[in-house]
Amino acid sequence: AQSVSQHNHHVILSEAASLELGCNYSYGGTVNLFWYVQYPGQHLQLLLKYFSGDPLVKGIKGFEAEFIKSKFSFNLRKPSVQWSDTAEYFCAVGSSNTGKLIFGQGTTLQVKP
Amino acid sequence: DAGVIQSPRHEVTEMGQEVTLRCKPISGHDYLFWYRQTMMRGLELLIYFNNNVPIDDSGMPEDRFSAKMPNASFSTLKIQPSEPRDSAVYFCASSRLAGGPGTDTQYFGPGTRLTVL
Repeated sequence: AQSVSQHNHHVILSEAASLELGCNYSYGGTVNLFWYVQYPGQHLQLLLKYFSGDPLVKGIKGFEAEFIKSKFSFNLRKPSVQWSDTAEYFCAVGSSNTGKLIFGQGTTLQVKP
Repeated sequence: DAGVIQSPRHEVTEMGQEVTLRCKPISGHDYLFWYRQTMMRGLELLIYFNNNVPIDDSGMPEDRFSAKMPNASFSTLKIQPSEPRDSAVYFCASSRLAGGPGTDTQYFGPGTRLTVL
């Protein structure tokens, strides 16, 4: 079965610190990978996605993620976080074979000014 | 484009009452999804439609929940009767590609925060 695991449930960082949020999935077939962000009081919006090609994907607001197939991982990174990055981050894994998109439990990021 | 539109944004009701949540997807999107978000369970897919037809309702918690999509621009999620444990934020999302829910970006609405007293 398809599943997604986000290791960090709550992360607290100071501004300018580097960020890495873990995401691992389990599924043996071809996957499409997404990171969504939900700012306080707002709806989910896409940060970045990977379907094929270069495994290092760049998204909006300076975020990037790397797909490592051998590790079934799609970790999200940002070299220097800002207070405005405070939000909840969701990793999601989709497959055209299963027809499903599964979201992880989410990671709450709190950035202290 | 106005994006996915949901109404109401907030709903407070009493246990046993019927609740209807509404969604207007982005024009031209073939897929529509209903999600529920709670602290305990995170983001759960309840049901999704393709071209107005329900495809997978395995996430609908029980018979008190029902969803319809009478046309390409409107969908409802109904809870009858409502219970306090239904309190959550309900999101509607839509997407375009024909490959299925896992193959394209989903565009989310602002959500409806439901409180059942």
